[in-house]
Amino acid sequence: AQTVTQSQPEMSVQEAETVTLSCTYDTSESDYYLFWYKQPPSRQMILVIRQEAYKQQNATENRFSVNFQKAAKSFSLKISDSQLGDAAMYFCAYRGQGAQKLVFGQGTRLTINP
Amino acid sequence: DTGVSQNPRHKITKRGQNVTFRCDPISEHNRLYWYRQTLGQGPEFLTYFQNEAQLEKSRLLSDRFSAERPKGSFSTLEIQRTEQGDSAMYLCASSLPGQSYNEQFFGPGTRLTVL
Repeated sequence: AQTVTQSQPEMSVQEAETVTLSCTYDTSESDYYLFWYKQPPSRQMILVIRQEAYKQQNATENRFSVNFQKAAKSFSLKISDSQLGDAAMYFCAYRGQGAQKLVFGQGTRLTINP
Repeated sequence: DTGVSQNPRHKITKRGQNVTFRCDPISEHNRLYWYRQTLGQGPEFLTYFQNEAQLEKSRLLSDRFSAERPKGSFSTLEIQRTEQGDSAMYLCASSLPGQSYNEQFFGPGTRLTVL
Protein backbone atom coordinates (compact mmCIF):
# COMPACT_ATOMS: atom_id res chain seq x y z
CA ALA A 1 0.00 0.00 0.00
CA GLN A 2 1.12 3.50 -0.70
CA THR A 3 2.14 5.73 2.19
CA VAL A 4 2.87 9.43 2.44
CA THR A 5 5.07 10.88 5.17
CA GLN A 6 5.40 14.49 6.23
CA SER A 7 8.16 14.63 8.82
CA GLN A 8 7.61 18.24 9.89
CA PRO A 9 4.54 18.57 12.12
CA GLU A 10 5.06 22.34 12.39
CA MET A 11 7.00 24.98 10.51
CA SER A 12 7.20 28.73 10.89
CA VAL A 13 8.55 31.45 8.64
CA GLN A 14 8.83 35.19 8.65
CA GLU A 15 6.51 37.05 6.35
CA ALA A 16 8.11 37.58 2.90
CA GLU A 17 10.62 34.78 3.47
CA THR A 18 10.76 31.40 1.73
CA VAL A 19 9.84 28.10 3.36
CA THR A 20 10.06 24.50 2.17
CA LEU A 21 7.76 21.74 3.37
CA SER A 22 8.94 18.16 3.01
CA CYS A 23 7.06 15.09 1.80
CA THR A 24 8.19 11.57 1.00
CA TYR A 25 6.10 8.73 -0.28
CA ASP A 26 6.36 5.03 -0.88
CA THR A 27 4.96 3.31 -3.94
CA SER A 28 5.79 0.57 -6.38
CA GLU A 29 3.87 2.28 -9.19
CA SER A 30 5.57 4.21 -11.95
CA ASP A 31 2.65 6.43 -12.93
CA TYR A 32 0.92 8.51 -10.29
CA TYR A 33 -0.01 12.03 -9.25
CA LEU A 34 1.16 14.08 -6.31
CA PHE A 35 -0.66 17.01 -4.75
CA TRP A 36 -0.25 19.65 -2.09
CA TYR A 37 -3.46 20.73 -0.39
CA LYS A 38 -3.91 23.69 1.95
CA GLN A 39 -6.41 23.57 4.82
CA PRO A 40 -6.84 26.98 6.49
CA PRO A 41 -8.27 27.04 10.02
CA SER A 42 -11.97 26.16 9.94
CA ARG A 43 -12.05 26.34 6.17
CA GLN A 44 -12.16 23.77 3.45
CA MET A 45 -9.19 22.15 1.85
CA ILE A 46 -8.04 23.58 -1.47
CA LEU A 47 -5.57 22.32 -4.03
CA VAL A 48 -2.33 24.31 -4.14
CA ILE A 49 -0.31 22.48 -6.76
CA ARG A 50 -0.09 19.13 -8.52
CA GLN A 51 2.58 17.09 -10.25
CA GLU A 52 2.26 14.24 -12.71
CA ALA A 53 4.96 11.65 -12.13
CA TYR A 54 5.71 11.28 -15.83
CA LYS A 55 6.65 14.94 -16.08
CA GLN A 56 10.25 15.72 -15.24
CA GLN A 57 9.65 19.45 -15.03
CA ASN A 58 8.73 20.68 -11.56
CA ALA A 59 5.31 22.28 -11.29
CA THR A 60 4.96 25.94 -10.36
CA GLU A 61 1.91 28.03 -9.46
CA ASN A 62 2.79 31.66 -8.78
CA ARG A 63 4.62 31.69 -5.42
CA PHE A 64 4.31 27.93 -5.00
CA SER A 65 6.69 25.45 -6.57
CA VAL A 66 7.64 21.84 -6.00
CA ASN A 67 10.87 19.89 -6.05
CA PHE A 68 9.90 16.46 -7.38
CA GLN A 69 12.60 13.81 -7.08
CA LYS A 70 11.05 10.63 -8.46
CA ALA A 71 13.96 8.33 -7.71
CA ALA A 72 14.13 9.55 -4.13
CA LYS A 73 10.31 9.54 -3.85
CA SER A 74 10.42 13.07 -2.54
CA PHE A 75 7.97 15.90 -3.24
CA SER A 76 8.68 19.12 -1.37
CA LEU A 77 6.70 22.36 -1.56
CA LYS A 78 8.44 25.73 -1.66
CA ILE A 79 6.49 28.85 -0.78
CA SER A 80 8.22 32.06 -1.80
CA ASP A 81 7.45 35.53 -0.42
CA SER A 82 5.33 34.03 2.37
CA GLN A 83 2.15 35.91 3.20
CA LEU A 84 -0.02 35.90 6.29
CA GLY A 85 -2.75 34.19 4.29
CA ASP A 86 -0.48 31.21 3.71
CA ALA A 87 -0.90 30.15 7.33
CA ALA A 88 -2.63 26.77 7.28
CA MET A 89 -2.21 23.01 7.49
CA TYR A 90 -0.54 21.69 4.37
CA PHE A 91 -1.12 18.13 3.27
CA CYS A 92 0.85 16.17 0.73
CA ALA A 93 -1.25 13.60 -1.14
CA TYR A 94 -0.70 10.73 -3.57
CA ARG A 95 -3.01 9.19 -6.12
CA GLY A 96 -2.15 6.16 -8.20
CA GLN A 97 -2.70 6.25 -11.92
CA GLY A 98 -5.66 3.90 -11.90
CA ALA A 99 -7.00 4.85 -8.50
CA GLN A 100 -9.51 7.41 -7.33
CA LYS A 101 -8.66 7.80 -3.67
CA LEU A 102 -6.12 10.23 -2.33
CA VAL A 103 -3.59 9.05 0.25
CA PHE A 104 -2.63 11.90 2.54
CA GLY A 105 0.32 12.59 4.78
CA GLN A 106 -0.07 13.68 8.38
CA GLY A 107 0.17 17.36 7.54
CA THR A 108 2.45 20.27 8.39
CA ARG A 109 1.12 23.28 10.27
CA LEU A 110 2.64 26.43 8.78
CA THR A 111 2.76 29.62 10.82
CA ILE A 112 3.65 32.95 9.25
CA ASN A 113 5.27 35.45 11.61
CA PRO A 114 4.61 39.12 10.77
CA ASP B 1 -21.58 29.55 -3.85
CA THR B 2 -21.34 26.54 -6.14
CA GLY B 3 -18.78 24.59 -4.13
CA VAL B 4 -19.25 21.31 -2.28
CA SER B 5 -21.62 21.75 0.64
CA GLN B 6 -22.03 19.56 3.70
CA ASN B 7 -24.70 19.50 6.38
CA PRO B 8 -24.72 19.71 9.26
CA ARG B 9 -21.42 21.44 9.94
CA HIS B 10 -21.35 20.18 13.50
CA LYS B 11 -23.05 17.25 15.18
CA ILE B 12 -22.90 16.25 18.81
CA THR B 13 -24.44 12.94 19.71
CA LYS B 14 -24.44 10.41 22.48
CA ARG B 15 -22.76 7.06 22.14
CA GLY B 16 -25.08 4.51 20.60
CA GLN B 17 -27.12 6.98 18.58
CA ASN B 18 -27.34 6.99 14.79
CA VAL B 19 -26.24 10.01 12.77
CA THR B 20 -26.55 10.95 9.11
CA PHE B 21 -24.56 13.49 7.16
CA ARG B 22 -25.32 14.95 3.78
CA CYS B 23 -23.01 16.07 0.99
CA ASP B 24 -24.01 18.05 -2.08
CA PRO B 25 -21.27 17.94 -4.71
CA ILE B 26 -20.54 20.54 -7.34
CA SER B 27 -23.12 20.15 -10.06
CA GLU B 28 -21.95 18.04 -13.01
CA HIS B 29 -19.34 16.33 -10.83
CA ASN B 30 -20.17 12.67 -11.17
CA ARG B 31 -17.55 11.43 -8.72
CA LEU B 32 -18.03 11.81 -4.99
CA TYR B 33 -15.73 10.82 -2.14
CA TRP B 34 -15.96 10.54 1.62
CA TYR B 35 -12.92 10.93 3.88
CA ARG B 36 -12.49 10.95 7.64
CA GLN B 37 -10.02 13.24 9.38
CA THR B 38 -9.14 12.80 13.03
CA LEU B 39 -7.44 15.52 15.01
CA GLY B 40 -3.89 16.13 13.92
CA GLN B 41 -4.03 13.66 11.06
CA GLY B 42 -4.52 13.79 7.33
CA PRO B 43 -7.80 12.70 5.78
CA GLU B 44 -8.33 8.97 5.29
CA PHE B 45 -10.36 7.61 2.40
CA LEU B 46 -13.67 5.97 3.24
CA THR B 47 -15.58 5.43 0.02
CA TYR B 48 -16.09 6.62 -3.55
CA PHE B 49 -19.08 6.89 -5.90
CA GLN B 50 -19.26 7.31 -9.60
CA ASN B 51 -22.77 8.50 -10.30
CA GLU B 52 -24.96 6.32 -8.05
CA ALA B 53 -22.59 3.35 -7.96
CA GLN B 54 -20.41 2.86 -4.91
CA LEU B 55 -17.21 1.62 -6.50
CA GLU B 56 -14.74 1.45 -3.64
CA LYS B 57 -14.95 1.08 0.12
CA SER B 58 -12.12 1.29 2.62
CA ARG B 59 -11.63 -1.27 5.35
CA LEU B 60 -12.15 1.70 7.68
CA LEU B 61 -15.80 1.62 6.65
CA SER B 62 -17.12 -0.87 9.16
CA ASP B 63 -20.58 -2.39 8.94
CA ARG B 64 -21.86 0.44 11.16
CA PHE B 65 -21.16 2.85 8.30
CA SER B 66 -23.25 3.10 5.17
CA ALA B 67 -23.11 5.57 2.33
CA GLU B 68 -25.57 6.16 -0.46
CA ARG B 69 -25.91 8.32 -3.50
CA PRO B 70 -29.37 7.36 -4.70
CA LYS B 71 -29.77 9.57 -7.76
CA GLY B 72 -26.16 10.28 -8.50
CA SER B 73 -26.40 13.75 -7.01
CA PHE B 74 -26.19 14.26 -3.23
CA SER B 75 -24.82 11.61 -0.92
CA THR B 76 -25.50 10.59 2.66
CA LEU B 77 -23.18 8.93 5.15
CA GLU B 78 -24.86 7.19 8.07
CA ILE B 79 -23.14 5.91 11.18
CA GLN B 80 -25.15 3.52 13.32
CA ARG B 81 -24.54 2.91 17.01
CA THR B 82 -21.92 5.63 17.22
CA GLU B 83 -18.81 5.10 19.32
CA GLN B 84 -16.45 7.65 20.80
CA GLY B 85 -13.84 6.58 18.27
CA ASP B 86 -16.11 7.85 15.51
CA SER B 87 -15.47 11.44 16.63
CA ALA B 88 -13.80 13.10 13.67
CA MET B 89 -14.27 15.50 10.78
CA TYR B 90 -16.06 13.84 7.88
CA LEU B 91 -15.07 15.38 4.56
CA CYS B 92 -16.81 15.07 1.24
CA ALA B 93 -15.18 15.81 -2.10
CA SER B 94 -16.27 15.72 -5.71
CA SER B 95 -14.52 15.65 -9.04
CA LEU B 96 -15.27 16.06 -12.72
CA PRO B 97 -14.52 13.28 -15.18
CA GLY B 98 -12.16 13.87 -18.05
CA GLN B 99 -9.24 15.33 -16.13
CA SER B 100 -6.16 13.16 -16.01
CA TYR B 101 -5.22 14.43 -12.57
CA ASN B 102 -8.82 14.27 -11.27
CA GLU B 103 -8.76 17.29 -8.95
CA GLN B 104 -10.95 16.68 -5.94
CA PHE B 105 -12.84 19.67 -4.54
CA PHE B 106 -13.52 19.41 -0.85
CA GLY B 107 -16.43 20.58 1.25
CA PRO B 108 -16.10 22.24 4.66
CA GLY B 109 -16.72 18.98 6.50
CA THR B 110 -19.04 17.80 9.25
CA ARG B 111 -17.44 17.64 12.68
CA LEU B 112 -18.86 14.79 14.72
CA THR B 113 -18.46 14.62 18.48
CA VAL B 114 -19.62 11.46 20.21
CA LEU B 115 -20.07 11.86 23.97
